[in-house]
Amino acid sequence: AQKITQTQPGMFVQEKEAVTLDCTYDTSDQSYGLFWYKQPSSGEMIFLIYQGSYDEQNATEGRYSLNFQKARKSANLVISASQLGDSAMYFCANEGRDDKIIFGKGTRLHILP
Amino acid sequence: DAGVTQSPTHLIKTRGQQVTLRCSPKSGHDTVSWYQQALGQGPQFIFQYYEEEERQRGNFPDRFSGHQFPNYSSELNVNALLLGDSALYLCASSFWGNDEKLFFGSGTQLSVL
Repeated sequence: AQKITQTQPGMFVQEKEAVTLDCTYDTSDQSYGLFWYKQPSSGEMIFLIYQGSYDEQNATEGRYSLNFQKARKSANLVISASQLGDSAMYFCANEGRDDKIIFGKGTRLHILP
Repeated sequence: DAGVTQSPTHLIKTRGQQVTLRCSPKSGHDTVSWYQQALGQGPQFIFQYYEEEERQRGNFPDRFSGHQFPNYSSELNVNALLLGDSALYLCASSFWGNDEKLFFGSGTQLSVL
């Protein structure tokens, strides 16, 4: 069964600093996908970045990058030059062969001015 | 281009009642997935619909049922409501077989009293 672990319930970061949100996953599938979503207080889940298990390069989307370490089963999200609008809940998720997407419990990120 | 729309945004019911939540997918998407997000938790997968059939199901009782219509819109029905059903219910749409970028709606906040 798939499992996502996010060990940081909350983080406080100074504006303009880089921040790393941790995510480890457990899956027996050989082929899988990893996602990060942002959920502001409005409730909508906003897609940030996707990494396929066979992708050789780490995924990047603007200020977001995914530090994929397959052997360690980790998929940390790095946000460069954080902004006040980055304050939100962040969820790591895993999609396995059965196409079910399983989410972690999330990390609440607070960006301080 | 309309994104995923859900209705209603908020709903209050009492124990034992039945509820129907509605979702219209993003234009061009043919697959709808439903998630339950309890307070302080990550979204939990309920089920997924494609071609008007339930394709995948998470660990939810039969009180949770759904439907997909020919125009790809979907309904989530919950019978015999329990207090523990209080949560944010999120709908997500995608192309069948391509979950790289799930698009989520803003959700329906259900409160069961």
